[in-house]
Amino acid sequence: AQKVTQAQTEISVVEKEDVTLDCVYETRDTTYYLFWYKQPPSGELVFLIRRNSFDEQNEISGRYSWNFQKSTSSFNFTITASQVVDSAVYFCALSEAWGNKLVFGAGTILRVKS
Amino acid sequence: DAGVIQSPRHEVTEMGQEVTLRCKPISGHDYLFWYRQTMMRGLELLIYFNNNVPIDDSGMPEDRFSAKMPNASFSTLKIQPSEPRDSAVYFCASSLGHQPGTGLNTEAFFGQGTRLTVV
Repeated sequence: AQKVTQAQTEISVVEKEDVTLDCVYETRDTTYYLFWYKQPPSGELVFLIRRNSFDEQNEISGRYSWNFQKSTSSFNFTITASQVVDSAVYFCALSEAWGNKLVFGAGTILRVKS
Repeated sequence: DAGVIQSPRHEVTEMGQEVTLRCKPISGHDYLFWYRQTMMRGLELLIYFNNNVPIDDSGMPEDRFSAKMPNASFSTLKIQPSEPRDSAVYFCASSLGHQPGTGLNTEAFFGQGTRLTVV
């Protein structure tokens, strides 16, 4: 069975601090996909990134970066120089090769204070 | 594209009443998903369709829940009769399925959700 664990329930940082959100996953599939979604206070779910199991390159997009390590089954998300607008709930998710259905972690609440 | 469109945004109903949630996926997307979000259970998949055909409904809580996709541009999730424990945010999402050329899975895009309150 697939499982995603986000051990950090809530993180509070001061603006401009860097913050890393952890994600650990479990799957028996050799081909799978990992995702991060953001849920701001307005409630919608916003797609951030998708990663394939056979592509372990780290990715950077502006202040966001992702570290994918198959050896530790982790897909961590770092926000550099955090801003108040980054305050949201962040979800890590996993999908199998077929079907595209997502298994979500419990989410991490990020509070960025000015 | 306008994205995934859900209606209504908010629904308050009395226990025992029928509730119908509606979703219009992104044009051209082959997959449609219904998720439910609650404090206790987080985000969980209820059912998903591929090319309008239900593929996996193992997440549907019980027979009171039903979902249909009569065509590629419309889906409904119905609860009859509704109960207070059905109160949640219901999300519809759609995805292309597989990327043309690479065959890689694509991401799902979510609607803004329907907040259902059953009193």
